[in-house]
Amino acid sequence: DSGVTQTPKHLITATGQRVTLRCSPRSGDLSVYWYQQSLDQGLQFLIQYYNGEERAKGNILERFSAQQFPDLHSELNLSSLELGDSALYFCASSKGTGGLADTQYFGPGTRLTVL
Amino acid sequence: AQKVTQAQTEISVVEKEDVTLDCVYETRDTTYYLFWYKQPPSGELVFLIRRNSFDEQNEISGRYSWNFQKSTSSFNFTITASQVVDSAVYFCALSENNNDMRFGAGTRLTVKP
Repeated sequence: DSGVTQTPKHLITATGQRVTLRCSPRSGDLSVYWYQQSLDQGLQFLIQYYNGEERAKGNILERFSAQQFPDLHSELNLSSLELGDSALYFCASSKGTGGLADTQYFGPGTRLTVL
Repeated sequence: AQKVTQAQTEISVVEKEDVTLDCVYETRDTTYYLFWYKQPPSGELVFLIRRNSFDEQNEISGRYSWNFQKSTSSFNFTITASQVVDSAVYFCALSENNNDMRFGAGTRLTVKP
């Protein structure tokens, strides 16, 4: 158990809908990262937040957005969902300020299925 | 752009065999970080090792060892005396300039009893 929690574990929704994925980092970790794992694209970095501020951006679609709250939990919002958004979404956290070079600990993931 | 290649898509070994998973990377930067992660059938990603570009010492942790060679841009991972519990998908990853993280496609290792 990495100490990173993600909810929900599974999510099934329809095309065009909007969903919110939630992540709580390990105690003391200030950085939160979001990743998408799909059969087509593999594992892709989406976005990083550090202490509430966006720190780095990867291959995140404009239909997707994220934020980190004062209590350091983070939410990933996915809107206008398409079939191709079906994937496993991971959240990770780290203690340091070094961004993506830090050692990251991953949550169990949220499996999103878009029908 | 940085790139990570794991040429071995699937490897199957019998328990107690040694197995090496290959990772070749491309980067133009002199400062970068390399990682290995394990994804067992349960699906979570488990951190195994982090190595920066200035530290070429090989590392051993129990049955696991890593060989980092800048001259060939490789960061290979060896499991000695493999066990069934080692069955998983293993990912190599590269972080350059702290602004991105690129993963290889992964190598699925199956260890048969």
